[in-house]
Amino acid sequence: QKEVEQDPGPLSVPEGAIVSLNCTYSNSAFQYFMWYRQYSRKGPELLMYTYSSGNKEDGRFTAQVDKSSKYISLFIRDSQPSDSATYLCAMGTGGFKTIFGAGTRLFVKA
Amino acid sequence: NAGVTQTPKFQVLKTGQSMTLQCAQDMNHNSMYWYRQDPGMGLRLIYYSASEGTTDKGEVPNGYNVSRLNKREFSLRLESAAPSQTSVYFCASILVAGIGNEQFFGPGTRLTVL
Repeated sequence: QKEVEQDPGPLSVPEGAIVSLNCTYSNSAFQYFMWYRQYSRKGPELLMYTYSSGNKEDGRFTAQVDKSSKYISLFIRDSQPSDSATYLCAMGTGGFKTIFGAGTRLFVKA
Repeated sequence: NAGVTQTPKFQVLKTGQSMTLQCAQDMNHNSMYWYRQDPGMGLRLIYYSASEGTTDKGEVPNGYNVSRLNKREFSLRLESAAPSQTSVYFCASILVAGIGNEQFFGPGTRLTVL
């Protein structure tokens, strides 16, 4: 079993929809949780970062962490065609390594 | 600042050939990483360098070697390329690892081994 599980999609939604992206994990030692966005043929870029359980908002993006269920989510409100990308969840224990999910491909149709 | 740069952007090798992927960062970061990205597999860590002068194996180190040349540069070498090493390779750096700082990624090298 992988330490981090993420549905690869693809997920296709109409413009303006609310998007929900999710990851589950098995290692209770993970302390910080991140979402990276990766456009086609580019390197990943950090989108959201959080330490604790609960919600964190940044504009149209909300990251949610539920440590008791070992489940994290990224919500995108009012999705735009420019949000079309692959979204990778990532987690770390405080050591040198970060564990990445497989990534979910998102398509937002105009 | 250029951030993290990688060369080459694309490469085609024949089985058994060798090559070195170059990575450099100009952000004075301490730690550097090499990942490979394959469809459905996400980013898998090959090697990392916690600080200048140190290197450690990641999840998939077999068939690769690395050199942390100085604080800025971290190279990845394939001594005898195999088709299983066809992948997109990303270099990343982080100011201080272990407390969740952002990893900055390069643009990637697309490698095909025939």
